[in-house]
Amino acid sequence: DTAVSQTPKYLVTQMGNDKSIKCEQNLGHDTMYWYKQDSKKFLKIMFSYNNKELIINETVPNRFSPKSPDKAHLNLHINSLELGDSAVYFCASSHLTTGLTEAFFGQGTRLTVV
Amino acid sequence: AQSVSQHNHHVILSEAASLELGCNYSYGGTVNLFWYVQYPGQHLQLLLKYFSGDPLVKGIKGFEAEFIKSKFSFNLRKPSVQWSDTAEYFCAVNALNTNAGKSTFGDGTTLTVKP
Repeated sequence: DTAVSQTPKYLVTQMGNDKSIKCEQNLGHDTMYWYKQDSKKFLKIMFSYNNKELIINETVPNRFSPKSPDKAHLNLHINSLELGDSAVYFCASSHLTTGLTEAFFGQGTRLTVV
Repeated sequence: AQSVSQHNHHVILSEAASLELGCNYSYGGTVNLFWYVQYPGQHLQLLLKYFSGDPLVKGIKGFEAEFIKSKFSFNLRKPSVQWSDTAEYFCAVNALNTNAGKSTFGDGTTLTVKP
């Protein structure tokens, strides 16, 4: 019973392509996030959605577009992929309305742009 | 804006040595504090958290952390490390009433435990 699941786990693609990463959580949480972890292991938030509404949008190129069809899903679409987009992308969720601010992370998607 | 600073980028210890990893944050208001661990090739998992109450919190696998409000610190400790503790450790802070639940992470500390 995976709490936060992401697909795919690995993604290798060429520059200029468009790709999507899917995320689903079965914890009943109301808030979901996308984090990017670079090669130095630095972890930076990209987006956050609360009940399908965008609440955090950090300085991220507009080639990255999150979509939340419902509060259990937060997908990440990336247009015109660049070499610098290579990283591990983590989806996470938390339950803010109950004050549960700790994040539960998915397994990560290792994106390699060649 | 909140920020988190982890003082040690890479720590190398022998088994049974004691561990202390430093974490300081900058935010004047009420915070939730966390330590996460990332084992090689895996996702982040929560080690322990501080919300309120006793400033000394105990987590899984024998880890503990102490919140010292006056020093804006939340250092992680373990009396005796094991080889299996080799991992990346992240301190994180969530400033309540701001940033809608966003946790700001430190840059991480790589812990290598030699058998």
